Amino acid sequence: AQSVTQLDSQVPVFEEAPVELRCNYSSSVSVYLFWYVQYPNQGLQLLLKYLSGSTLVKGINGFEAEFNKSQTSFHLRKPSVHISDTAEYFCAVTFSGGSSGSARQLTFGSGTQLTVLP
Amino acid sequence: DAGVIQSPRHEVTEMGQEVTLRCKPISGHNSLFWYRQTMMRGLELLIYFNNNVPIDDSGMPEDRFSAKMPNASFSTLKIQPSEPRDSAVYFCASVKRERTGELFFGEGSRLTVL
Repeated sequence: AQSVTQLDSQVPVFEEAPVELRCNYSSSVSVYLFWYVQYPNQGLQLLLKYLSGSTLVKGINGFEAEFNKSQTSFHLRKPSVHISDTAEYFCAVTFSGGSSGSARQLTFGSGTQLTVLP
Repeated sequence: DAGVIQSPRHEVTEMGQEVTLRCKPISGHNSLFWYRQTMMRGLELLIYFNNNVPIDDSGMPEDRFSAKMPNASFSTLKIQPSEPRDSAVYFCASVKRERTGELFFGEGSRLTVL
Protein backbone atom coordinates (compact mmCIF):
# COMPACT_ATOMS: atom_id res chain seq x y z
CA ALA A 1 0.00 0.00 0.00
CA GLN A 2 1.09 3.55 -0.59
CA SER A 3 0.93 6.48 1.79
CA VAL A 4 1.75 10.17 1.83
CA THR A 5 3.03 12.22 4.75
CA GLN A 6 2.98 15.98 4.79
CA LEU A 7 5.19 16.86 7.67
CA ASP A 8 3.85 20.34 8.37
CA SER A 9 0.18 21.06 8.87
CA GLN A 10 0.70 24.83 8.98
CA VAL A 11 3.42 26.97 7.41
CA PRO A 12 3.34 30.73 8.01
CA VAL A 13 5.75 32.79 5.93
CA PHE A 14 6.24 36.45 5.15
CA GLU A 15 5.52 37.84 1.71
CA GLU A 16 8.45 37.59 -0.74
CA ALA A 17 10.19 34.99 1.42
CA PRO A 18 10.99 31.51 0.05
CA VAL A 19 8.94 28.53 1.12
CA GLU A 20 9.27 24.75 1.09
CA LEU A 21 6.36 22.41 1.79
CA ARG A 22 7.51 18.91 2.59
CA CYS A 23 6.05 15.67 1.30
CA ASN A 24 7.28 12.12 1.81
CA TYR A 25 5.69 9.01 0.40
CA SER A 26 6.00 5.29 0.84
CA SER A 27 5.44 2.82 -1.93
CA SER A 28 6.92 -0.47 -2.97
CA VAL A 29 6.50 0.32 -6.67
CA SER A 30 7.12 3.22 -9.01
CA VAL A 31 4.87 6.21 -8.50
CA TYR A 32 3.36 9.30 -10.05
CA LEU A 33 3.42 12.32 -7.76
CA PHE A 34 1.26 15.43 -7.66
CA TRP A 35 0.75 18.65 -5.80
CA TYR A 36 -2.75 20.12 -5.67
CA VAL A 37 -3.74 23.53 -4.29
CA GLN A 38 -7.04 24.41 -2.66
CA TYR A 39 -7.97 28.07 -2.29
CA PRO A 40 -10.64 28.96 0.28
CA ASN A 41 -14.10 27.69 -0.63
CA GLN A 42 -12.86 26.13 -3.85
CA GLY A 43 -12.04 22.68 -5.15
CA LEU A 44 -8.57 21.27 -5.57
CA GLN A 45 -6.56 22.36 -8.60
CA LEU A 46 -3.52 20.63 -10.04
CA LEU A 47 -0.34 22.62 -9.36
CA LEU A 48 2.23 20.26 -10.86
CA LYS A 49 2.95 16.61 -11.51
CA TYR A 50 5.81 14.15 -11.85
CA LEU A 51 5.16 11.24 -14.18
CA SER A 52 8.64 10.50 -15.54
CA GLY A 53 11.76 12.21 -16.88
CA SER A 54 13.38 15.20 -15.22
CA THR A 55 13.13 15.07 -11.45
CA LEU A 56 12.68 18.85 -11.24
CA VAL A 57 9.14 19.71 -12.16
CA LYS A 58 7.82 23.22 -12.72
CA GLY A 59 4.19 24.08 -12.18
CA ILE A 60 1.85 27.03 -12.26
CA ASN A 61 2.29 30.24 -10.27
CA GLY A 62 6.07 29.86 -9.98
CA PHE A 63 6.03 26.67 -7.93
CA GLU A 64 8.40 23.76 -8.51
CA ALA A 65 9.02 20.39 -6.91
CA GLU A 66 11.83 17.89 -6.96
CA PHE A 67 11.35 14.14 -6.99
CA ASN A 68 13.97 12.43 -4.85
CA LYS A 69 13.63 8.68 -5.20
CA SER A 70 16.29 7.77 -2.65
CA GLN A 71 14.65 9.92 0.01
CA THR A 72 11.12 9.17 -1.23
CA SER A 73 10.33 12.86 -1.16
CA PHE A 74 8.57 15.37 -3.40
CA HIS A 75 8.98 18.74 -1.71
CA LEU A 76 7.29 21.82 -3.13
CA ARG A 77 9.18 25.11 -3.33
CA LYS A 78 8.70 28.71 -4.35
CA PRO A 79 11.51 31.29 -4.17
CA SER A 80 9.25 34.24 -3.35
CA VAL A 81 5.67 33.91 -2.17
CA HIS A 82 2.76 36.31 -2.55
CA ILE A 83 -0.28 36.94 -0.42
CA SER A 84 -2.33 35.22 -3.11
CA ASP A 85 -0.44 31.95 -2.48
CA THR A 86 -2.29 31.56 0.81
CA ALA A 87 -4.07 28.23 0.43
CA GLU A 88 -3.97 24.58 1.44
CA TYR A 89 -1.57 22.39 -0.47
CA PHE A 90 -2.01 18.65 -0.91
CA CYS A 91 0.61 16.15 -1.99
CA ALA A 92 -0.73 13.02 -3.71
CA VAL A 93 0.67 9.76 -5.06
CA THR A 94 -0.52 6.94 -7.24
CA PHE A 95 1.10 3.86 -8.69
CA SER A 96 2.63 3.97 -12.14
CA GLY A 97 2.84 1.19 -14.68
CA GLY A 98 0.80 -1.86 -15.58
CA SER A 99 -2.88 -1.63 -14.87
CA SER A 100 -2.18 0.70 -11.98
CA GLY A 101 -1.27 4.35 -12.01
CA SER A 102 -4.90 5.23 -12.01
CA ALA A 103 -6.70 8.17 -10.56
CA ARG A 104 -8.84 5.77 -8.54
CA GLN A 105 -5.74 4.84 -6.53
CA LEU A 106 -4.71 8.42 -5.82
CA THR A 107 -3.72 8.85 -2.18
CA PHE A 108 -3.76 12.35 -0.73
CA GLY A 109 -1.73 13.69 2.14
CA SER A 110 -3.41 15.50 5.01
CA GLY A 111 -2.59 18.92 3.59
CA THR A 112 -0.38 21.89 4.53
CA GLN A 113 -1.96 25.27 5.15
CA LEU A 114 0.34 27.94 3.74
CA THR A 115 -0.35 31.39 5.15
CA VAL A 116 1.53 34.29 3.61
CA LEU A 117 1.82 37.26 5.96
CA PRO A 118 2.22 40.88 4.82
CA ASP B 1 -14.09 25.62 -21.18
CA ALA B 2 -16.57 24.87 -18.44
CA GLY B 3 -15.14 23.01 -15.50
CA VAL B 4 -16.82 20.46 -13.28
CA ILE B 5 -20.10 21.93 -12.10
CA GLN B 6 -21.63 21.00 -8.76
CA SER B 7 -24.89 21.97 -7.16
CA PRO B 8 -25.97 23.07 -4.70
CA ARG B 9 -22.92 24.92 -3.37
CA HIS B 10 -24.41 24.99 0.10
CA GLU B 11 -27.08 22.84 1.67
CA VAL B 12 -28.44 23.04 5.18
CA THR B 13 -30.88 20.36 6.20
CA GLU B 14 -32.26 18.64 9.24
CA MET B 15 -31.36 15.18 10.41
CA GLY B 16 -33.43 12.54 8.69
CA GLN B 17 -34.00 14.49 5.49
CA GLU B 18 -32.91 13.29 2.08
CA VAL B 19 -30.04 15.15 0.42
CA THR B 20 -29.16 15.01 -3.28
CA LEU B 21 -25.94 16.47 -4.60
CA ARG B 22 -25.41 16.91 -8.32
CA CYS B 23 -22.41 16.94 -10.60
CA LYS B 24 -21.78 17.67 -14.25
CA PRO B 25 -18.30 16.48 -15.32
CA ILE B 26 -16.18 18.08 -18.00
CA SER B 27 -17.34 17.08 -21.45
CA GLY B 28 -15.20 14.25 -22.84
CA HIS B 29 -14.04 13.04 -19.44
CA ASN B 30 -14.97 9.42 -18.95
CA SER B 31 -14.17 8.91 -15.28
CA LEU B 32 -15.94 10.57 -12.37
CA PHE B 33 -15.15 10.56 -8.66
CA TRP B 34 -17.03 11.63 -5.53
CA TYR B 35 -14.90 12.71 -2.56
CA ARG B 36 -15.79 13.87 0.92
CA GLN B 37 -13.62 16.37 2.82
CA THR B 38 -13.72 16.89 6.58
CA MET B 39 -11.27 18.35 9.05
CA MET B 40 -10.97 15.08 10.90
CA ARG B 41 -10.59 12.65 8.00
CA GLY B 42 -9.28 14.82 5.18
CA LEU B 43 -10.17 13.78 1.63
CA GLU B 44 -11.91 10.45 1.27
CA LEU B 45 -12.81 8.78 -2.02
CA LEU B 46 -16.43 7.64 -1.83
CA ILE B 47 -17.10 6.17 -5.26
CA TYR B 48 -15.63 6.05 -8.72
CA PHE B 49 -17.37 5.67 -12.11
CA ASN B 50 -15.76 4.77 -15.41
CA ASN B 51 -17.86 5.23 -18.56
CA ASN B 52 -20.93 5.76 -16.34
CA VAL B 53 -20.47 2.41 -14.58
CA PRO B 54 -19.70 2.31 -10.84
CA ILE B 55 -16.34 0.57 -10.49
CA ASP B 56 -15.46 0.97 -6.84
CA ASP B 57 -17.88 2.05 -4.11
CA SER B 58 -15.88 0.68 -1.21
CA GLY B 59 -15.50 4.17 0.20
CA MET B 60 -19.22 4.76 0.58
CA PRO B 61 -19.63 4.92 4.35
CA GLU B 62 -22.91 3.03 4.64
CA ASP B 63 -26.15 2.13 2.92
CA ARG B 64 -27.55 5.57 3.53
CA PHE B 65 -25.27 6.76 0.72
CA SER B 66 -25.96 6.01 -2.93
CA ALA B 67 -24.62 7.37 -6.20
CA LYS B 68 -25.76 7.17 -9.79
CA MET B 69 -24.46 8.24 -13.16
CA PRO B 70 -27.32 7.86 -15.66
CA ASN B 71 -25.33 9.41 -18.51
CA ALA B 72 -21.90 10.83 -19.28
CA SER B 73 -22.85 14.35 -18.28
CA PHE B 74 -24.58 13.88 -14.95
CA SER B 75 -24.11 12.19 -11.60
CA THR B 76 -25.85 12.34 -8.24
CA LEU B 77 -24.86 11.49 -4.71
CA LYS B 78 -27.78 10.87 -2.41
CA ILE B 79 -27.86 10.57 1.36
CA GLN B 80 -31.02 9.23 2.95
CA PRO B 81 -31.61 9.69 5.78
CA SER B 82 -28.99 12.31 6.53
CA GLU B 83 -27.23 12.53 9.90
CA PRO B 84 -25.17 15.30 11.53
CA ARG B 85 -21.96 13.30 11.01
CA ASP B 86 -22.53 13.56 7.25
CA SER B 87 -21.73 17.28 7.44
CA ALA B 88 -18.78 17.85 5.11
CA VAL B 89 -17.78 19.29 1.77
CA TYR B 90 -18.51 16.86 -1.05
CA PHE B 91 -16.43 17.17 -4.18
CA CYS B 92 -16.97 15.75 -7.61
CA ALA B 93 -13.97 15.32 -9.89
CA SER B 94 -13.50 14.06 -13.42
CA VAL B 95 -10.55 12.90 -15.46
CA LYS B 96 -10.07 12.37 -19.19
CA ARG B 97 -7.55 9.57 -18.93
CA GLU B 98 -8.04 7.38 -15.92
CA ARG B 99 -4.44 6.20 -15.94
CA THR B 100 -3.14 9.43 -14.45
CA GLY B 101 -3.93 11.29 -11.25
CA GLU B 102 -4.81 14.52 -13.03
CA LEU B 103 -8.20 15.16 -11.52
CA PHE B 104 -10.35 18.21 -12.26
CA PHE B 105 -12.40 19.12 -9.20
CA GLY B 106 -15.64 21.01 -8.88
CA GLU B 107 -16.01 23.74 -6.29
CA GLY B 108 -17.77 21.40 -3.88
CA SER B 109 -21.09 21.18 -2.09
CA ARG B 110 -20.93 22.15 1.57
CA LEU B 111 -23.48 20.09 3.48
CA THR B 112 -24.60 20.92 7.00
CA VAL B 113 -26.96 18.50 8.72
CA LEU B 114 -28.52 19.91 11.88
